Amino acid sequence: EDQVTQSPEALRLQEGESSSLNCSYTVSGLRGLFWYRQDPGKGPEFLFTLYSAGEEKEKERLKATLTKKESFLHITAPKPEDSATYLCAVQRGGADGLTFGKGTHLIIQP
Amino acid sequence: EAGVTQSPTHLIKTRGQQATLRCSPISGHTSVYWYQQALGLGLQFLLWYDEGEERNRGNFPPRFSGRQFPNYSSELNVNALELEDSALYLCASSKGTAGEPQHFGDGTRLSIL
Repeated sequence: EDQVTQSPEALRLQEGESSSLNCSYTVSGLRGLFWYRQDPGKGPEFLFTLYSAGEEKEKERLKATLTKKESFLHITAPKPEDSATYLCAVQRGGADGLTFGKGTHLIIQP
Repeated sequence: EAGVTQSPTHLIKTRGQQATLRCSPISGHTSVYWYQQALGLGLQFLLWYDEGEERNRGNFPPRFSGRQFPNYSSELNVNALELEDSALYLCASSKGTAGEPQHFGDGTRLSIL
């Protein structure tokens, strides 16, 4: 059975204070690892797809990395508008449904 | 480009009733996915439709069913509603190729009284 565990469950940072979110996964035949951001009352917004160990992707203040067992979402010099729940998900073979972690609730204080 | 649209935004039902939720995918996307996001449980995969066929389902009872129409829109039906079915139901669409990202709508909030 596929499993995704995210840590920490919640994280409170000061504006400009960089940190990392962790996503540990177990899946047979990983097709892709996905990061999403979800704001209250909204659906998840796609951020990144990572396909193989060693891959990195960047977008503004966010950088995602992937190893064979985990992924990290690094947030550099965050701003209050980066406050959201960040979700990690994995997909096994085929264009199948995703298995999600429970998310990290990130709060950036001004 | 229009994103994934879902209707209705909110739906209130009583135990034992039936609910129908609707989803229009992004233009050009052939796969539609349904997820349940209940409080404290995270997003749980429900159903995957592609080219009008059900391709896979998650660990949910048969009273959760749906279909995909020739224009790739989809509906989710939940029969014999139970209190624990109260949740946000999210629809996502993709191009139907392994590894392609799924793009989500803002969901239907289903409340069972």
